[in-house]
Amino acid sequence: EPEVTQTPSHQVTQMGQEVILRCVPISNHLYFYWYRQILGQKVEFLVSFYNNEISEKSEIFDDQFSVERPDGSNFTLKIRSTKLEDSAMYFCASGPPGASAYEQYFGPGTRLTVT
Amino acid sequence: AQTVTQSQPEMSVQEAETVTLSCTYDTSENNYYLFWYKQPPSRQMILVIRQEAYKQQNATENRFSVNFQKAAKSFSLKISDSQLGDTAMYFCAFMDGGSQGNLIFGKGTKLSVKP
Repeated sequence: EPEVTQTPSHQVTQMGQEVILRCVPISNHLYFYWYRQILGQKVEFLVSFYNNEISEKSEIFDDQFSVERPDGSNFTLKIRSTKLEDSAMYFCASGPPGASAYEQYFGPGTRLTVT
Repeated sequence: AQTVTQSQPEMSVQEAETVTLSCTYDTSENNYYLFWYKQPPSRQMILVIRQEAYKQQNATENRFSVNFQKAAKSFSLKISDSQLGDTAMYFCAFMDGGSQGNLIFGKGTKLSVKP
């Protein structure tokens, strides 16, 4: 069964550095999402992406963040100048065509540790 | 703002028995979706069941069923014939019908199924 994959599984970076988290959505999916989960807290929506543009973003998704679909298979989340409070689990999700936003398939997550 | 509350941080159940996980939500919208996601120790979130608010009939997926009480804004998950593989975190989530993918999650309930 097709799955969403994410790399790396764990990323350690120093405060102020840029990181790129990578996701490979399920191949025929057209809707893409990023969420994060700070340890011990709720899973929080960051952004949704469709047709090469952001559909919706949360207050968390400020100028420090950007998303991109650089080719036909990858979907990336870039965090510029990371801060300690960016340490979290980041989940990518994708959704099939015609399913609207209520059918989201999640990846296993990337644990980001900012030191 | 919409909120989702799961009042049971942890629960346990004996194998083969039935357990009910609670979820309440707050919204002024009439068109929305409700979800239960399962997150096993592998950390990949899996959709268990989905309910459209306009449907009066409670959703059912094999051993999983919901009790959707729209007026009370309650959305509980019943797991029948619990299996060891049901051990996981369970997240209740809400999505506004007009949203482009913004799932709002509760804090989760950690379910342990004991042999």
